[in-house]
Amino acid sequence: DIQMTQSPSTLYASVGDRLTITCRASQSINNWLAWYQQKPGKAPKLLIYKASSLEGGVPSRFSGSGSGTEFTLTISSLLPDDFATYYCQQYNFYWTFGQGTRVEIK
Amino acid sequence: QVQLVESGGGVVHPGRSLRLSCVASGFTFSSSAMHWVRQAPGKGLEWVAFISYDGNNKNYADSVKGRFTISRDNSRNTLYLQMNSLRAEDTAVYFCAKEGHATKFQTFDVWGQGTKVAVSS
Repeated sequence: DIQMTQSPSTLYASVGDRLTITCRASQSINNWLAWYQQKPGKAPKLLIYKASSLEGGVPSRFSGSGSGTEFTLTISSLLPDDFATYYCQQYNFYWTFGQGTRVEIK
Repeated sequence: QVQLVESGGGVVHPGRSLRLSCVASGFTFSSSAMHWVRQAPGKGLEWVAFISYDGNNKNYADSVKGRFTISRDNSRNTLYLQMNSLRAEDTAVYFCAKEGHATKFQTFDVWGQGTKVAVSS
C-alpha cells in the first residue's frame, strides 16, 4: 500500500499569508496526485489534479507542484474562505488520502 | 447541474446490514466510473470502493473487502453500496464520488453531500 503523509497537521495563519502544505508518498507516484479542500460538514472539493493542474473554477492563488514522492500545495495569499482542511490523494495505485492539514486562523 | 445525492444511512446494530444509494444527475452516469469514500467522525478521508463505468471492474479497500459490495444500475443513474457484517469502525459519513475523465482520470471531481452511518449496539 502507498502511504501519504501530510505536514503540518495543523497550520495557523492570517489572511494574506502565503501558505505551503507538504505531502509525501511512501513510494514514487509519478505525478498522480490530487489536492482537495474540505470545509466542516461539507463534501471535499477537487482543487488540483496531476500534481499541478488547476481544477476549473478554482482561484489561481492555489497552485501545486512536485513529482515522485514529494509534493506541495501553495496558497499565495490566504483569504477568509480558505480556512479549511486540505487533503492530498495519490491515484497511482488505487487511492490513498493523506491525513489532512487543518488551516486555522492565527 | 451535476449532482450526486446519497441516501440510506442510519443507525444499525453491529453485524447487521445496510444499503446506501447515490442518485446521479446532470452528467452521463453510464460513462463515469464511481467511488465510495468515507469519513469517520473527526477523522480523515478513506477510499472504500470503486466501480467501472459498466460495472465490470470493482475494487475495495482491505478494511471492507468481503463485507461491502459496490454496484450500479445505469438505467436508474444509481450507485449502491451494500454493507454487511457492519462493525463499530464502519461508523462514518459515506460520500459517493464521480471519477473524472481525460486528464482528471482517477480523481474525484464531483462529490455527494454524504450520508451518515452509525453502527452501535
